[in-house]
Amino acid sequence: AQTVTQSQPEMSVQEAETVTLSCTYDTSESDYYLFWYKQPPSRQMILVIRQEAYKQQNATENRFSVNFQKAAKSFSLKISDSQLGDAAMYFCALRPANSKLTFGKGITLSVRP
Amino acid sequence: GAGVSQTPSNKVTEKGKYVELRCDPISGHTALYWYRQSLGQGPEFLIYFQGTGAADDSGLPNDRFFAVRPEGSVSTLKIQRTERGDSAVYLCASSSEGLNYNEQFFGPGTRLTVL
Repeated sequence: AQTVTQSQPEMSVQEAETVTLSCTYDTSESDYYLFWYKQPPSRQMILVIRQEAYKQQNATENRFSVNFQKAAKSFSLKISDSQLGDAAMYFCALRPANSKLTFGKGITLSVRP
Repeated sequence: GAGVSQTPSNKVTEKGKYVELRCDPISGHTALYWYRQSLGQGPEFLIYFQGTGAADDSGLPNDRFFAVRPEGSVSTLKIQRTERGDSAVYLCASSSEGLNYNEQFFGPGTRLTVL
């Protein structure tokens, strides 16, 4: 079984500033993928970034980057130069190879103008 | 359209009634997934189809829940004798291959309210 824990229910960031969203996970598998999804009020889940566990280099997608600490089973998301459109629910998710996607409870991010 | 679509967008029903929720995946996607998202929670896996067959239905909560995908494209999630605890957003996702492929594309969900 796998678990994903997001302990912060909500965070707030000033526009143009940087914010980090935390996530820890647990799995007994050695081959797995980690994801951050964004869910705006429209409900549609949008993939923000993904990380393969076998890759040591942290994934980066424009203003979004991760800090993947495999030994600590930690996978945080950093959003740089925050924009009003970044306000949404963010979910951390884990998928071992050949297994199902497991999501955390999510965090509500608000962006102050 | 190019994305995953789900109908209806919202469904209100009474306790004990039967409901069907529909998912149209991205054309050509062989894998299809159903999730349930309760208020304040992340999505929880229900069932995964590879083609027409259910490859993993371990997330279905009980035998009131059933899903089909008869022609390997559109899928229907069926809930019998609905209960108030079934109220949630039901999300569908599809991907071009099965579990070995990374990205699942999600639909906007159906919000089910059981009165």
